[in-house]
Amino acid sequence: SAVISQKPSRDICQRGTSLTIQCQVDSQVTMMFWYRQQPGQSLTLIATANQGSEATYESGFVIDKFPISRPNLTFSTLTVSNMSPEDSSIYLCSVREGTNGYTFGSGTRLTVV
Amino acid sequence: GQNIDQPTEMTATEGAIVQINCTYQTSGFNGLFWYQQHAGEAPTFLSYNVLDGLEEKGRFSSFLSRSKGYSYLLLKELQMKDSASYLCAVREGNRLAFGKGNQVVVIP
Repeated sequence: SAVISQKPSRDICQRGTSLTIQCQVDSQVTMMFWYRQQPGQSLTLIATANQGSEATYESGFVIDKFPISRPNLTFSTLTVSNMSPEDSSIYLCSVREGTNGYTFGSGTRLTVV
Repeated sequence: GQNIDQPTEMTATEGAIVQINCTYQTSGFNGLFWYQQHAGEAPTFLSYNVLDGLEEKGRFSSFLSRSKGYSYLLLKELQMKDSASYLCAVREGNRLAFGKGNQVVVIP
């Protein structure tokens, strides 16, 4: 299965600042996704990162807050903008491989102070 | 949209069997996944069901009933390393929608 490198693995940020999270895959994949996992909670899909076009956002998530780039088939970034303590969470990228396989990166643990 | 429900936590003894249930309501079902997630780590794939019935993979089995919107994950011969959160996820199109997860604590 694909190997996903996600960084940073963790960060502590001041409120009002922005953080960009990178996701690098060792093979070309069509579908890439960004999830948020708040403390003690399950995963919530933020958006689908589309190569060559704008990301598709889920209800409750907007591009101004979570801009996403997908410049090629192996790389994507998620930016968490104008952060507040409520944005403290784990952010994970995921790729879909083949018909049924979904693999996850190791996550970025973000703390906003 | 979707509504996925899982119980939250259970404790079991090493060597025992546990069953973790997942019920779902979805407008477009395209398969159900089970993932294991250890604290601080990424979810890892356990099983996938798209047709009704039981899928067995070593100590782990997963069952699906599409008509009932129901799945379960069966963990046999529990080991301490099985202490983790178990997440069911329903695939709608290309998207995965996750349940809240069930924390399993294995005790000696």
